[in-house]
Amino acid sequence: AQSVTQLDSQVPVFEEAPVELRCNYSSSVSVYLFWYVQYPNQGLQLLLKYLSGSTLVESINGFEAEFNKSQTSFHLRKPSVHISDTAEYFCAVRGGGATNKLIFGTGTLLAVQP
Amino acid sequence: SQTIHQWPATLVQPVGSPLSLECTVEGTSNPNLYWYRQAAGRGLQLLFYSVGIGQISSEVPQNLSASRPQDRQFILSSKKLLLSDSGFYLCAWSIGTSGGVGTQYFGPGTRLLVL
Repeated sequence: AQSVTQLDSQVPVFEEAPVELRCNYSSSVSVYLFWYVQYPNQGLQLLLKYLSGSTLVESINGFEAEFNKSQTSFHLRKPSVHISDTAEYFCAVRGGGATNKLIFGTGTLLAVQP
Repeated sequence: SQTIHQWPATLVQPVGSPLSLECTVEGTSNPNLYWYRQAAGRGLQLLFYSVGIGQISSEVPQNLSASRPQDRQFILSSKKLLLSDSGFYLCAWSIGTSGGVGTQYFGPGTRLLVL
């Protein structure tokens, strides 16, 4: 069965500092991994995804994540965060079967302080 | 391009009253559809998913039900709301092909407060 673990429920960081949000997964089928971002009182937005090919994937707003098969990880990183990056971040892995269900982690609140 | 709508945006209902939340998708055909709930300060809980008209799968037994009367319409209902039904309800869709990669696209959500 597929599962996702986000060990950090909250990550406080100062503006312009680097950040890493951790995600570990377990999957017995082809691995498709996702990061979603949720701003307050909004729906989830797809930030980036790993399907195949290059293990480093990037988003348009400076985030990147690296698929590491040996460590079963898909950590999200940004070299310099902004106040506007304050949000909840969810890691997800595609579940098995034909329903395209996603298995979500419990989320990490990134709190950027000035 | 595809868009997903949810309404209402916010709802305050008394305990024991009925509920109907609606979700519609535009710009795609035969999508998979999903209902999630977020309780305050908690993660996502998948409530229902549907792979076609009239086909509903329930993930968690509860006070809610779902229906899909049209290809791109997904409705979440309750006959009698409980206090524990309060939360943020999210609808999502994905491409409805078997073996797809699973990318889901979310609506703006409905915040429900049961008093």
